Amino acid sequence: DIHMTQNPVSLSAFIGDKVTITCRASQDISRYLGWYQQKQGQSPKFLMYYASNLLSGVPSRFSGSGSGTEYSLTITGIQPEDAATYFCQQCYSYPLTFGSGTKLEIK
Amino acid sequence: EVQLVESGGGLVQPGRSLKLSCVASGFTFSNYGMNWIRQAPGKGLEWVAYISSGSSYIYYAETVKGRFTISRDNAKNTLYLQMTSLRSEDTALYYCARSAATDSGYFDYWGQGVMVTVSS
Repeated sequence: DIHMTQNPVSLSAFIGDKVTITCRASQDISRYLGWYQQKQGQSPKFLMYYASNLLSGVPSRFSGSGSGTEYSLTITGIQPEDAATYFCQQCYSYPLTFGSGTKLEIK
Repeated sequence: EVQLVESGGGLVQPGRSLKLSCVASGFTFSNYGMNWIRQAPGKGLEWVAYISSGSSYIYYAETVKGRFTISRDNAKNTLYLQMTSLRSEDTALYYCARSAATDSGYFDYWGQGVMVTVSS
């Protein structure tokens, strides 16, 4: 199984800040990585696929990068509505696996 | 509008069985692979099972293999998860989620989830 290590577990940011969440796979996943946003009490929302491709409607302040085993999600210019937990997920092989999540708090 | 509505959850004793359903609408159900994903209270996401559009391909997480069965009825636009030999560690919110595209391992739409509590 491919293990996904996500960091940090939590972070706190001011409106307008830039934050980066990292995700490390236990083996090369060839950019088969997605990012999801889960707000409190809601279902996860699909944000990004193939490491850096934003879904339609996702604000451009979200961006993704990476290759091999190392990936990151960056939010540039944090907004209040970005308060959520973010999960990475690999779809390189089954079983599909998620990172443990990063909780973003807005100060 | 894509909608996925789960049902069938509840409180069940360890060792017993439960069957979840997910009714889909707003898209051609028979064209998409479907998944069950769960989230234990206050925890992260765990993919549970996948079934391809025509039920030809089925995959399970090791934690549920041999105990859970995923199935679908394309005529009824419904996805199922038959859970047997339930354990306390199966306690979670179970989401039905659509695969983003053919052979895609991403999940583009999620239901609101149905709670399963395994306790004596």
